[in-house]
Amino acid sequence: GAVVSQHPSRVICKSGTSVKIECRSLDFQATTMFWYRQFPKQSLMLMATSNEGSKATYEQGVEKDKFLINHASLTLSTLTVTSAHPEDSSFYICSAKTGVRTEAFFGQGTRLTVV
Amino acid sequence: GQQLNQSPQSMFIQEGEDVSMNCTSSSIFNTWLWYKQDPGEGPVLLIALYKAGELTSNGRLTAQFGITRKDSFLNISASIPSDVGIYFCAGSGGTSYGKLTFGQGTILTVHP
Repeated sequence: GAVVSQHPSRVICKSGTSVKIECRSLDFQATTMFWYRQFPKQSLMLMATSNEGSKATYEQGVEKDKFLINHASLTLSTLTVTSAHPEDSSFYICSAKTGVRTEAFFGQGTRLTVV
Repeated sequence: GQQLNQSPQSMFIQEGEDVSMNCTSSSIFNTWLWYKQDPGEGPVLLIALYKAGELTSNGRLTAQFGITRKDSFLNISASIPSDVGIYFCAGSGGTSYGKLTFGQGTILTVHP
């Protein structure tokens, strides 16, 4: 159990375009989802926390208008990188948890390359 | 904010050796989690610890929740090549309730 599926696993887009990444909990209800960014050989940097049906809470320094997060259902959250630039190239990972449980389960990650 | 110090940053060991890594915090956590990340993949949960002093095993992995609630360690016994990856500790609770605070990671390399 506790499977989180993230799609796509890799995406290449042109500078100035937008990219949407999906995160789905397949066998549990994800009341909270988290979006992280990870640079090579570094730890995970939390970007935002989203609760189902509510607006996402962004960490300091993360532009909410650039990284749009939608958590419309208990099984799906999306991250849209708007007007992407090469510096947005990174590994983006989502995680999901249910209720008051502290364990979070991660998706496979999405390698975004902006050219 | 809360910080986790994870050590060592990297380890190079021979197959069959035991491995130990740990995390310390400047503040108290209510839950400690240990994850493993393979290259190009998301982290996978290995062990979750919920009580101070708790010692939990998962196969060749053993982790403990420190008595002070400010530290945790992970041991891997009889390492094998597939143990290669990045291991992260994560804490939940205190001022970061609901979120996980991650350590910097330990990069493990196992030589056959």
